[in-house]
Amino acid sequence: NAGVMQNPRHLVRRRGQEARLRCSPMKGHSHVYWYRQLPEEGLKFMVYLQKENIIDESGMPKERFSAEFPKEGPSILRIQQVVRGDSAAYFCASSPTRDGRAFFGQGTRLTVV
Amino acid sequence: KNEVEQSPQNLTAQEGEFITINCSYSVGISALHWLQQHPGGGIVSLFMLSSGKKKHGRLIATINIQEKHSSLHITASHPRDSAVYICAAKRDGNKLVFGAGTILRVKS
Repeated sequence: NAGVMQNPRHLVRRRGQEARLRCSPMKGHSHVYWYRQLPEEGLKFMVYLQKENIIDESGMPKERFSAEFPKEGPSILRIQQVVRGDSAAYFCASSPTRDGRAFFGQGTRLTVV
Repeated sequence: KNEVEQSPQNLTAQEGEFITINCSYSVGISALHWLQQHPGGGIVSLFMLSSGKKKHGRLIATINIQEKHSSLHITASHPRDSAVYICAAKRDGNKLVFGAGTILRVKS
């Protein structure tokens, strides 16, 4: 029973490129959450998705960031035209129901050079 | 003031010691998570609790909803327990609000 799978584990992008982070939730989980951990800072909520729907994106930066969770396939967090300040660890979590316990992935560590 | 406060920020213990990490929150919650993160590693959910006490191996978590306070205890601590421990208030769904974390180092 695989846990939450994130890939890649490490991603290096040059300023101005696009970063795509993928998250496959646990089997049977249809609720996905993305969190960001900036260097020397705590974790912060970004976005909550349920299959094909964005439920709450109140933590997403207004520009360059988008997220999707299609009917088939993993959830994708997309960052366009990356800047150095986007360098962080991005964690995905999934739960079976809205109020169910969340399980986390290993994270993707994005470095913008 | 942060909505979720943890103490201490840093904790060094000798192997075998009993450890307590505290978490206070100022918001209404449906439950509280205790999470563990090793350096450069992923996040492991240790407990989710909404009342009382839960135990798993050497780990015990308690919560007092009226006082808005939770504690994580580690009995007979071991160097492999060295990690960052984070409490997270569960609000709307899993829109979690995180504490800053407690860096625990257990020396042998």
